[in-house]
Amino acid sequence: DVKVTQSSRYLVKRTGEKVFLECVQDMDHENMFWYRQDPGLGLRLIYFSYDVKMKEKGDIPEGYSVSREKKERFSLILESASTNQTSMYLCASSSDSNQPQHFGDGTRLSIL
Amino acid sequence: EDKVVQSPLSLVVHEGDTVTLNCSYEVTNFRSLLWYKQEKKAPTFLFMLTSSGIEKKSGRLSSILDKKELFSILNITATQTGDSAVYLCAVYTGANSKLTFGKGITLSVRP
Repeated sequence: DVKVTQSSRYLVKRTGEKVFLECVQDMDHENMFWYRQDPGLGLRLIYFSYDVKMKEKGDIPEGYSVSREKKERFSLILESASTNQTSMYLCASSSDSNQPQHFGDGTRLSIL
Repeated sequence: EDKVVQSPLSLVVHEGDTVTLNCSYEVTNFRSLLWYKQEKKAPTFLFMLTSSGIEKKSGRLSSILDKKELFSILNITATQTGDSAVYLCAVYTGANSKLTFGKGITLSVRP
């Protein structure tokens, strides 16, 4: 079974802080993704990556950056957290573009 | 802009009922449609559909795709309280791995 692990289930940070969300997958998948999920808006893609050191902007990249130094790890960075970034963040991975994405359990992030 | 619309947004049924969840899409360069179930945590994969008219089935759940009319349905027969969840529909488009999601359908199954 594919395992996608997100480092924290719940996180509380302050406005202006730099925030790191970590995601690790154990299936040697090429593709990794970061989404945020908000009530009434569904899942929206922030960034994705096809390979190590590669990144592509999704639909809502503003205020975020990512890092993929190793194939199994994909980090989402909030450069200067703001209250409108309070959300559920979901990481996913897939082996290729014809296969389903597999999701982690999510990190519920609150910015105060 | 790619769009995936699910309906209804929520519904409440009683155990034993049969439900049909709808997903329509307007996208460029359609490749496949996926259904996920999300309870408290990670969305879990249910079905991936690429061809019209071929039903996929897993226990009490089944799904079919109509590429001419641009929609899919997810059927759940003999519903149980454990079917209570948000059901997500998503579409793969283009040459990359980008998934566009609908807003989800919240299903509540009452005993």
